Amino acid sequence: AAGVIQSPRHLIKEKRETATLKCYPIPRHDTVYWYQQGPGQDPQFLISFYEKMQSDKGSIPDRFSAQQFSDYHSELNMSSLELGDSALYFCASSLGDEQFFGPGTRLTVL
Amino acid sequence: AQKVTQAQTEISVVEKEDVTLDCVYETRDTTYYLFWYKQPPSGELVFLIRRNSFDEQNEISGRYSWNFQKSTSSFNFTITASQVVDSAVYFCALSEAYQAGTALIFGKGTTLSVSS
Repeated sequence: AAGVIQSPRHLIKEKRETATLKCYPIPRHDTVYWYQQGPGQDPQFLISFYEKMQSDKGSIPDRFSAQQFSDYHSELNMSSLELGDSALYFCASSLGDEQFFGPGTRLTVL
Repeated sequence: AQKVTQAQTEISVVEKEDVTLDCVYETRDTTYYLFWYKQPPSGELVFLIRRNSFDEQNEISGRYSWNFQKSTSSFNFTITASQVVDSAVYFCALSEAYQAGTALIFGKGTTLSVSS
């Protein structure tokens, strides 16, 4: 069965650079979520989209923005990267109440 | 406010031992969902179970079982006859009354180490 696809899987950036993470949901799923998991931490909700509209917002820094496109894929844009942004970023998708997680993108900021 | 507490930070057992991971939650909603996820060293989040607030029936799936008690706001997870492959971080999570895009609130996780 098709799963959530995230790209890239690994990303290394310098401080103050920008990064774009991409998420391709399971076909026919209409909702996308982004979570950030710091080292040794639990996943923290950032933002979600339903039918291309922002649905819920968590602890997402102002330096980050995201959107969901007409084909339902989503992108998380991160600017002015800081060392503390180094984390595993998960995307999840859903059609109902169960969220299916992608494999994550590991971002390292040097 | 919604909150999930996993009081056990780390648990170490020897293979074939039974182990229970505790989860206590707080929510004001009468309709909510509870989840358990496994995160092995490779990093992915593996869905284990979902339970809605109206279904207090305990569930068993192979060596895994879950005990949901609304009276104590607990949703505990037991692994019977643990194996080395069970070594992972286990997260309990809560989602309040469903609407599209509702966030999952995770506990801090319990790291389970199973030695041979």
